[in-house]
Amino acid sequence: DAKTTQPPSMDCAEGRAANLPCNHSTISGNEYVYWYRQIHSQGPQYIIHGLKNNETNEMASLIITEDRKSSTLILPHATLRDTAVYYCNPGSGNTGKLIFGQGTTLQVKP
Amino acid sequence: GAVVSQHPSRVICKSGTSVKIECRSLDFQATTMFWYRQFPKQSLMLMATSNEGSKATYEQGVEKDKFLINHASLTLSTLTVTSAHPEDSSFYICSARDQSQGSYGYTFGSGTRLTVV
Repeated sequence: DAKTTQPPSMDCAEGRAANLPCNHSTISGNEYVYWYRQIHSQGPQYIIHGLKNNETNEMASLIITEDRKSSTLILPHATLRDTAVYYCNPGSGNTGKLIFGQGTTLQVKP
Repeated sequence: GAVVSQHPSRVICKSGTSVKIECRSLDFQATTMFWYRQFPKQSLMLMATSNEGSKATYEQGVEKDKFLINHASLTLSTLTVTSAHPEDSSFYICSARDQSQGSYGYTFGSGTRLTVV
């Protein structure tokens, strides 16, 4: 299973962009990078995923380096409701299991 | 989008009793579901992979006789914590993937807070 490294915590001012990095240097060639977040006492919520190309959806953007060893999740205009623990998880595109690392606790401040 | 329903959301039980937690995929079929547990201020720990119509696959260190998993249909998996003890108190979460959505991410239930007294 690919290992991930994320900073344990980050702060972001409300309305500013939040950039959350993740190192996944052991990711396999066929593994996607998935990002989830968990708000206190709830199940994780899917945010975005990608394989090689950068991706964008209504929640966030995902930037994956060319060598695929790291990625950055971007929340373009962070709100207080984005305060959560953010996890990046390499995973296969089928039914492979998801192993969670320690994640990054993002605190959005007014 | 895909929805996973988990029930109950919280349960308190006496030490020595058993507790069953249900995980349902509401609008898709899931041949595989996953069960996690999470202690306070810690990450999610994968306990087992639940396979429809066959035995679950447990992660190393997880007691299969204590955490019974049944996946009798394509939309329902259950986790039974047998002879529960206070150290089993935790947040239990299930997840599943709608395979018709390709590489789309897993959907998680809202979790079950188990307290053993």
